[in-house]
Amino acid sequence: GAVVSQHPSWVICKSGTSVKIECRSLDFQATTMFWYRQFPKQSLMLMATSNEGSKATYEQGVEKDKFLINHASLTLSTLTVTSAHPEDSSFYICSADGLAPDTQYFGPGTRLTVL
Amino acid sequence: AQSVTQLGSHVSVSEGALVLLRCNYSSSVPPYLFWYVQYPNQGLQLLLKYTSAATLVKGINGFEAEFKKSETSFHLTKPSAHMRDAAEYFCAVSLSGNTPLVFGKGTRLSVIA
Repeated sequence: GAVVSQHPSWVICKSGTSVKIECRSLDFQATTMFWYRQFPKQSLMLMATSNEGSKATYEQGVEKDKFLINHASLTLSTLTVTSAHPEDSSFYICSADGLAPDTQYFGPGTRLTVL
Repeated sequence: AQSVTQLGSHVSVSEGALVLLRCNYSSSVPPYLFWYVQYPNQGLQLLLKYTSAATLVKGINGFEAEFKKSETSFHLTKPSAHMRDAAEYFCAVSLSGNTPLVFGKGTRLSVIA
């Protein structure tokens, strides 16, 4: 079946540093990838939509200069949290489409803790 | 704009009992509807989806859901709960299969032995 991976699965960093999270579709080409954020005991909120070779589309309220998204290929999208602060601590999940119709496949998520 | 309301943030059932997780949606166009399950510290796994075909959708792990347009509902059911069904369940809506999903707040299912 379709597999979407994320790396790292868990990261702890100091306030002010930058963290890069990778999202890969392992056995299919993803035309679109989505980035979601999930705070503890809450639902997933869409951060941005990423299409290969073009600029990401950010949701209202999401700082594009803080959350840099690069979709360099049909199998890789990266989310870089720049100058991370404790309030950025969250579970970041990506999803990808492009394999089966009407279906997104989710990665396992990346737990970010900013100290 | 689309939205999803999941009634009940926490549902507790006995092992072997019926599972019913409620989801109501709002959409200006015919919706695509999904149920996902999330185990602790893991990503989301698709249980089932409705994409304008049969209104009764069967998914994995014995779950099924029925799309009722008149009630704007897409409730998830399972005849007999297992301990392994304990998890967080999310209902989601989208305009199509490859557009962003709008999620409900989730329902945590506990299964009591």
